[in-house]
Amino acid sequence: NAGVMQNPRHLVRRRGQEARLRCSPMKGHSHVYWYRQLPEEGLKFMVYLQKENIIDESGMPKERFSAEFPKEGPSILRIQQVVRGDSAAYFCASSSDKYEQYFGPGTRLTVT
Amino acid sequence: AQSVTQLDSQVPVFEEAPVELRCNYSSSVSVYLFWYVQYPNQGLQLLLKYLSGSTLVKGINGFEAEFNKSQTSFHLRKPSVHISDTAEYFCAVSDVNFNKFYFGSGTKLNVKP
Repeated sequence: NAGVMQNPRHLVRRRGQEARLRCSPMKGHSHVYWYRQLPEEGLKFMVYLQKENIIDESGMPKERFSAEFPKEGPSILRIQQVVRGDSAAYFCASSSDKYEQYFGPGTRLTVT
Repeated sequence: AQSVTQLDSQVPVFEEAPVELRCNYSSSVSVYLFWYVQYPNQGLQLLLKYLSGSTLVKGINGFEAEFNKSQTSFHLRKPSVHISDTAEYFCAVSDVNFNKFYFGSGTKLNVKP
């Protein structure tokens, strides 16, 4: 059973461009969480999704950020018009029962 | 809202010595508690979790943690560390619905030979 997959692992974007981060949960997992990790900081919760539904997005900035988890395909975290402050590592985690999360290796976004 | 405090940002320790990584949380409601380990350039791996029952929780790699409700703490311990335990450790709490998880800022454990 493959683990949680995230791609790309590294993403470089210029200010103003869009960033799309993908997360393929483990097989059979219907819960997906996204987190952001700034250098020397812990993970900050962004959003929790189930298939086709956003359950809790209270950690996500109101503008420029969006997330989806369609019926088919990976979960997508989309950042529009990126700024330097968006540079961070973005992790997703998936779960089958919410009690235990399995984390992907992360996508490191660099905004130049 | 919950918050998690990891008091030590770095903990140096010699191989085979015992270690304790401290974690305190603040919450007015029941929470569930977790410890994760992160190796360089990797995602987090679950070490152990407390959901209910015995307050002493045993995890993987010889780690254990004790839930202390009165002190709102969930400290992580290992009686004898190995070089391979060098990593960053994160304490986390979740609300009772597991809709949201709060992480501490991490403790870097550096095991020296």
